[in-house]
Amino acid sequence: QVQLQESGPGLVKPSQTLSLTCTVSGGSISSGTYYWTWFRQPAGKGLEWIGRIYTRGSTNYNPSLKSRVTISLDTSNNQFSLNLSSVTAADTAVYYCARRRINGDSYYFDYWGQGTLVTVSS
Amino acid sequence: DIVMTQSPLSLPVTPGEAASISCRSSQSLLQSNGYNYLDWYLQKPGQSPQLLIFLASNRASGVPDRFSGSGSGTDFTLKITRVEAEDVGVYYCMQGLQSPLTFGGGTKVEIK
Repeated sequence: QVQLQESGPGLVKPSQTLSLTCTVSGGSISSGTYYWTWFRQPAGKGLEWIGRIYTRGSTNYNPSLKSRVTISLDTSNNQFSLNLSSVTAADTAVYYCARRRINGDSYYFDYWGQGTLVTVSS
Repeated sequence: DIVMTQSPLSLPVTPGEAASISCRSSQSLLQSNGYNYLDWYLQKPGQSPQLLIFLASNRASGVPDRFSGSGSGTDFTLKITRVEAEDVGVYYCMQGLQSPLTFGGGTKVEIK
């Protein structure tokens, strides 16, 4: 059974960099064809796609965040990471990692982490 | 970006009754391969989203058959034939056709 678990600081100061890691268990992050993806959800609001990294390393980011986002793979630890720079209070949200499975013409998010709350405050 | 619009915002339902949620996209989600890249997710209270339907009408593994998805192009519908108490939560449609992936605003289903 595949499991994803987010980890990282729950509190980040304004202007600093938010760094989160998603640890994948029950399967190798470097095998198969998947998009490893980050989302966020401010309290009481909807879901926002942040970006993704393909199994082979290529990335796509939301243009609204592109200048501040970096997503990377750490195959040795079976993890992928999110860095969001120059954060403000508007970046306060629950952050989720998820796996988008590519199965022929089918694409869908089959596994999600439980989410981690990150608060931006001094 | 493709804008996704859901209705209604809130949907009170009586257990055993049917429910229907509408989702409209600002651009067609029908790709040349004949598939509509529209997913439905349910976010139960305090949980992460879970996949219900992919490619507009395909039920995910383990999803009860009381859930069904339909539609093509820009108009899609999620139907629940007999709502159960465990179905409460916020339902989201999501387009997977092009980046950035975008979600509808959500429909909150609650038991009357």
